[in-house]
Amino acid sequence: GQQLNQSPQSMFIQEGEDVSMNCTSSSIFNTWLWYKQEPGEGPVLLIALYKAGELTSNGRLTAQFGITRKDSFLNISASIPSDVGIYFCAGQLKAAGNKLTFGGGTRVLVKP
Amino acid sequence: DVKVTQSSRYLVKRTGEKVFLECVQDMDHENMFWYRQDPGLGLRLIYFSYDVKMKEKGDIPEGYSVSREKKERFSLILESASTNQTSMYLCASRLGGAGEKLFFGSGTQLSVL
Repeated sequence: GQQLNQSPQSMFIQEGEDVSMNCTSSSIFNTWLWYKQEPGEGPVLLIALYKAGELTSNGRLTAQFGITRKDSFLNISASIPSDVGIYFCAGQLKAAGNKLTFGGGTRVLVKP
Repeated sequence: DVKVTQSSRYLVKRTGEKVFLECVQDMDHENMFWYRQDPGLGLRLIYFSYDVKMKEKGDIPEGYSVSREKKERFSLILESASTNQTSMYLCASRLGGAGEKLFFGSGTQLSVL
């Protein structure tokens, strides 16, 4: 199946910092999605992107659908402790029956 | 709010046992999915179903089967559990079609000893 490379695998955040993570693919997607998973819970959708070049915000989160349709990034501005969790990117392709392909996840932790 | 309920949060089973993981959704969703989550590998699709009695293999179906006898319930079956099936299992559902939001259950952490 398709592969999504998500980086970084983990990161430490300091309150107030801006952080970013990205996903790249060897092939194109029609839709890019970003999910967050908190401990003991399933992933929850944060942002959905439907067009190449699209930039969408949800509060302090901003995500972009890459122009080549093979990548996406997520920014978190002014991070706060409750931003900790695992963030997943996912690509969706109509030709593949709209199945989602997930990246490996970025684990966000707070600097002690 | 959509609720996707997985019957067990934690399960411990022995090698060779038959294991059933149950998932129920309460929003009349057509599509249901089973994923497994492993560190660094993200979520990988095991099986999915677009309607009652229908099932399709995902990316890693080996060692698993599924059952969808009723629209609201999607069961994952491990016919003979093995240690490499120790993982977090996530069930998800969506109304149907492209662009529809996927709702996840809280997951079942399965340990096979």
